[in-house]
Amino acid sequence: AQKVTQAQTEISVVEKEDVTLDCVYETRDTTYYLFWYKQPPSGELVFLIRRNSFDEQNEISGRYSWNFQKSTSSFNFTITASQVVDSAVYFCALSEARGNTGKLIFGQGTTLQVKP
Amino acid sequence: DTGVSQNPRHKITKRGQNVTFRCDPISEHNRLYWYRQTLGQGPEFLTYFQNEAQLEKSRLLSDRFSAERPKGSFSTLEIQRTEQGDSAMYLCASSLKTGWAETQYFGPGTRLLVL
Repeated sequence: AQKVTQAQTEISVVEKEDVTLDCVYETRDTTYYLFWYKQPPSGELVFLIRRNSFDEQNEISGRYSWNFQKSTSSFNFTITASQVVDSAVYFCALSEARGNTGKLIFGQGTTLQVKP
Repeated sequence: DTGVSQNPRHKITKRGQNVTFRCDPISEHNRLYWYRQTLGQGPEFLTYFQNEAQLEKSRLLSDRFSAERPKGSFSTLEIQRTEQGDSAMYLCASSLKTGWAETQYFGPGTRLLVL
């Protein structure tokens, strides 16, 4: 069965702190895709990154970095030097290649509050 | 390039009434998805279209729900005989499916409140 678990419901940090959001997934498929989306208070889900199961190379984009480890089925997201504008709900999601459907299975989300 | 748009943004209705939501995808995107999100939860898949064909429906999509995508452009999601449990945010996403991978881009959602 497909499942995404984001164990951290809420995280609160002070501006400029680093913060890591955890994501653990379950799938029986060998080919799959992992995503992170940001949902600010306005409600619109904003795409951040897509990773395929064959590419375990970590990625950095500005203050954002992602650590993909197949051995532990984890795809963690780190924000370096957090800012107030990073405050949002962050979702990790999984999509399996089997069946050719791109439907996303989302975790429950982690609410990040960055205080000034 | 405009993003995914959804209308209305908010809808309040009384139990038993029918409601219809519209989604306009990013132009030239061949796939369109509908999700439902309740408070404190992640979005849950409802259904999706590839061009005008509806290819999959979730078990969450009861007989009271119907979706269409005529001509493979915009899509509508209709809920008949609304119930209080239908209160949620309804999200639409579109993607360009080429090869194996695709990335879904979401609209702002339609927030439904059933009284």
